[in-house]
Amino acid sequence: DSGVTQTPKHLITATGQRVTLRCSPRSGDLSVYWYQQSLDQGLQFLIQYYNGEERAKGNILERFSAQQFPDLHSELNLSSLELGDSALYFCASSTGGRTEAFFGQGTRLTVV
Amino acid sequence: AQSVTQPDIHITVSEGASLELRCNYSYGATPYLFWYVQSPGQGLQLLLKYFSGDTLVQGIKGFEAEFKRSQSSFNLRKPSVHWSDAAEYFCAVLNYGGSQGNLIFGKGTKLSVKP
Repeated sequence: DSGVTQTPKHLITATGQRVTLRCSPRSGDLSVYWYQQSLDQGLQFLIQYYNGEERAKGNILERFSAQQFPDLHSELNLSSLELGDSALYFCASSTGGRTEAFFGQGTRLTVV
Repeated sequence: AQSVTQPDIHITVSEGASLELRCNYSYGATPYLFWYVQSPGQGLQLLLKYFSGDTLVQGIKGFEAEFKRSQSSFNLRKPSVHWSDAAEYFCAVLNYGGSQGNLIFGKGTKLSVKP
């Protein structure tokens, strides 16, 4: 158990809908990272938050957004969902800087 | 642009045999390199990492990796594979200027272990 908690574990939704994925980082970790894992694109970094502020942005679509709350949990919002958004979404956390990041078990999103 | 290539999509080895998983990177400066393992239905677990110093890095579960700058490689090895090593293995490089969770991953190598 990495200490990073993601909910829900599985999510099935229809095209055009909006979903929110939640991540609780390890106790004491200030950084949260979101990744998308799909068969065609592999593991792709989406976005990083550090202590409530956006720190780095990767290949995140405009339909996707994230935030980190004062209690340090983070949410990834996916809207206007398309079939191609079906993927495993991972959250990772670290204390920040050059410390190791620990990954959660992921949320599997299926868009039908 | 930085990138990571894992040339082998799927490898099958017999239990007890040695293992080498290949990883090549493209990076302008000294790379920070990682190997992660993903078991079915699980998240990613860090096996080992290389930042600097000794080019042979020891990790968990009996794995090691060797950084070879001249070949832009960071291959993962294990002398004797166990059935529980069956999983998918990902090589990654730290995104330039990023913190350790900001990684560029290879496509992964799926390892199957024959009894």
